[in-house]
Amino acid sequence: NAGVTQTPKFQVLKTGQSMTLQCAQDMNHNSMYWYRQDPGMGLRLIYYSASEGTTDKGEVPNGYNVSRLNKREFSLRLESAAPSQTSVYFCASSDFEETQYFGPGTRLLVL
Amino acid sequence: SQQGEEDPQALSIQEGENATMNCSYKTSINNLQWYRQNSGRGLVHLILIRSNEREKHSGRLRVTLDTSKKSSSLLITASRAADTASYFCATDGYGGSQGNLIFGKGTKLSVKP
Repeated sequence: NAGVTQTPKFQVLKTGQSMTLQCAQDMNHNSMYWYRQDPGMGLRLIYYSASEGTTDKGEVPNGYNVSRLNKREFSLRLESAAPSQTSVYFCASSDFEETQYFGPGTRLLVL
Repeated sequence: SQQGEEDPQALSIQEGENATMNCSYKTSINNLQWYRQNSGRGLVHLILIRSNEREKHSGRLRVTLDTSKKSSSLLITASRAADTASYFCATDGYGGSQGNLIFGKGTKLSVKP
């Protein structure tokens, strides 16, 4: 039982490049989330998916797209990376109990 | 916009001492949660307290909630070096969707052996 897994762990991009961050959970949770965490800040919600087939914007969605591929997988795509997207990205999942389970994070540096 | 604000931003104590962190929030909530984040790792859920509860315990953790003051506190008793981490409060309800959380900026706790 791996919980929530994220790939890659680290990534360096040049401005304008694109990439997809992958997230998978094996807890059969309905809801999944993408957050970003910047130094000295808490987590800010980018997008969430309350159930398979649905996605909604969070607090900071600009510059990102998401896909809920199936119940297990929720990916985050940066179409044209900008230095302001340098951050640590966390994926999380939850069920009706409201507790969220987090992945280990992806550190992204955009030059 | 962040709902919860933790206080203090940083706290340094000796092993064996108690650590108290506070969280204030702005709007009404259904529940409030506390999470721990070790350096370079993901967040780990510690405890959830519902709006109709005033106090909750889990091992060395004690959480209180005062909805009239819109505030919560997390007490860690008999702290250990392994408690060194950042602690975040999170409240529910972004966009009104169940399960969405709004996190504060966190308190960085350092426990010295």
